[in-house]
Amino acid sequence: RKEVEQDPGPFNVPEGATVAFNCTYSNSASQSFFWYRQDCRKEPKLLMSVYSSGNEDGRFTAQLNRASQYISLLIRDSKLSDSATYLCVVNSPWGGSQGNLIFGKGTKLSVKP
Amino acid sequence: DAGITQSPRYKITETGRQVTLMCHQTWSHSYMFWYRQDLGHGLRLIYYSAAADITDKGEVPDGYVVSRSKTENFPLTLESATRSQTSVYFCASQGTLNGYTFGSGTRLTVV
Repeated sequence: RKEVEQDPGPFNVPEGATVAFNCTYSNSASQSFFWYRQDCRKEPKLLMSVYSSGNEDGRFTAQLNRASQYISLLIRDSKLSDSATYLCVVNSPWGGSQGNLIFGKGTKLSVKP
Repeated sequence: DAGITQSPRYKITETGRQVTLMCHQTWSHSYMFWYRQDLGHGLRLIYYSAAADITDKGEVPDGYVVSRSKTENFPLTLESATRSQTSVYFCASQGTLNGYTFGSGTRLTVV
């Protein structure tokens, strides 16, 4: 099982749609969780951290289910500018060859007019 | 300006040449990382450093060398460039155990 798994997409949605991304992680000892956004040919940027109780930032809502080792990101009222690849990121409790954070391969979102 | 900067932004080099990619951060973050990103592979960790003079191999270290004599700099050297090292290279830093901040990347083409 891969350490962080995401549906690669692409997700093609119309403007205004609600879209949800899911992610599973394999290490139950992980304690920190993040969503990053990466625009085409640009560097990944931190979108939001994910807290145990769930958290919201404007149109974005992140949820964590530790029992199922599952993380989600919900985007409401999608905008054209939301088109990007969304990376699920989980900390690696023991570091090693993957460093401190493990990045999923990302889910590509394309929002159409 | 505070931040993390990579140079050059673009580089074309010939097979067999040595090339060094630079990374500089102004926050005095302890951890720094080098990744490469290729289509279909996502981000792959090449090397990382926990502090000055402490470096460790990542998933794909072969063909690369790093050093960290100062906290703020973490150069990545391709000792003898090969076409398979054509990629986008991202440097990142991490202060406390939170998210990483990435540089803008270096697009390297080996011909």
